[in-house]
Amino acid sequence: GAVVSQHPSWVICKSGTSVKIECRSLDFQATTMFWYRQFPKQSLMLMATSNEGSKATYEQGVEKDKFLINHASLTLSTLTVTSAHPEDSSFYICSARERPITSYEQYFGPGTRLTVT
Amino acid sequence: GQQVMQIPQYQHVQEGEDFTTYCNSSTTLSNIQWYKQRPGGHPVFLIQLVKSGEVKKQKRLTFQFGEAKKNSSLHITATQTTDVGTYFCAGRGSGTYKYIFGTGTRLKVLA
Repeated sequence: GAVVSQHPSWVICKSGTSVKIECRSLDFQATTMFWYRQFPKQSLMLMATSNEGSKATYEQGVEKDKFLINHASLTLSTLTVTSAHPEDSSFYICSARERPITSYEQYFGPGTRLTVT
Repeated sequence: GQQVMQIPQYQHVQEGEDFTTYCNSSTTLSNIQWYKQRPGGHPVFLIQLVKSGEVKKQKRLTFQFGEAKKNSSLHITATQTTDVGTYFCAGRGSGTYKYIFGTGTRLKVLA
């Protein structure tokens, strides 16, 4: 149980275009989903916290107009990278917390590798 | 803001040797979690520690939470090639649901 999927698993896009990444909790309802970015050989940096039905909370230094997050249901959150640039190339990973809250455990998706050319 | 550092950054060991990674937070934590990320994979939850001084074991892995709840360690006894990967700690401060990931320790095991 507690499976989180992400789609797509990898994407290549041209500079200036937008890319949408989906994060789904497959067998549980997620009160909260988190979006992380991971550059090669580096740690996971929290970008934003997404709560179902409300606006996302962004971490300091993360542009909310560039990284649009929508959490329309208890099983789906989306991250849209708008007007992507090569420096946005990274590994984007989502995680989800189960509802009701039990142990604060997060379940991670497999990640999406974005390459902007 | 809260910072979580891990040492060492890299560790190469011979198969059968022990390995330890240390995690230090700039602030007191409510709880700490440990994850393992294989090359090319996503983080996989290993364990959660909540109580001051808590020690938990999973087969060859021993996890410890410091008395002051600001540091933690992961010790692997008799490493195997399957232990290869990056080990991250992630700490949660009080009053927040957010976890801040440590800098990670990359383990290589030489057969």
